Amino acid sequence: QKEVEQNSGPLSVPEGAIASLNCTYSDRVSQSFFWYRQYSGKSPELIMSIYSNGDKEDGRFTAQLNKASQYVSLLIRDSQPSDSATYLCAVRKYQLIWGAGTKLIIKP
Amino acid sequence: EAQVTQNPRYLITVTGKKLTVTCSQNMNHEYMSWYRQDPGLGLRQIYYSMNVEVTDKGDVPEGYKVSRKEKRNFPLILESPSPNQTSLYFCASSPSTTGGADTEAFFGQGTRLTVV
Repeated sequence: QKEVEQNSGPLSVPEGAIASLNCTYSDRVSQSFFWYRQYSGKSPELIMSIYSNGDKEDGRFTAQLNKASQYVSLLIRDSQPSDSATYLCAVRKYQLIWGAGTKLIIKP
Repeated sequence: EAQVTQNPRYLITVTGKKLTVTCSQNMNHEYMSWYRQDPGLGLRQIYYSMNVEVTDKGDVPEGYKVSRKEKRNFPLILESPSPNQTSLYFCASSPSTTGGADTEAFFGQGTRLTVV
């Protein structure tokens, strides 16, 4: 079992809809949780970080953390074509452990 | 501007010719690391450094060397590159690894290496 798992996709979502990205992790002691967006050939950039159970909202993005079930999700509201990218989930206990990423395609 | 700078951005080399990819950060971060990224495999850590003169292997260290003589610099060295090291490489730094708000990773622009 991988330490951080994501569905590789691609996940296709119509423009204006809600995109839902999920990530599960295996180490219960994980402390910090991050979502990064990566455009093709570019470096990952931080979208959201979350450290405690519940929801955290920032503009069109909402991160959700459920430590009991060991999953973290990212919701993107009012999806735009510019949101088309690969979204990487990262979990930190001491080192950052990365998921392989979910490719998101927003269809106009 | 706070940043992580990698050079070169693109490099084509021949098998066996030693090369160095430089990485420098201006944020006084303690933690630095190198990743390679290949299609379908995500980010895989090559080496990391918790502080000056402290380095350790990541998940895929074979064929690579690093050094951390100064806090700001963390070069990646390929002593004898082979075609299976063709990849997209990223350097990253973090303020610390103790958990919480100061542990996000800041990435360099990436180096696309081709070994023929």
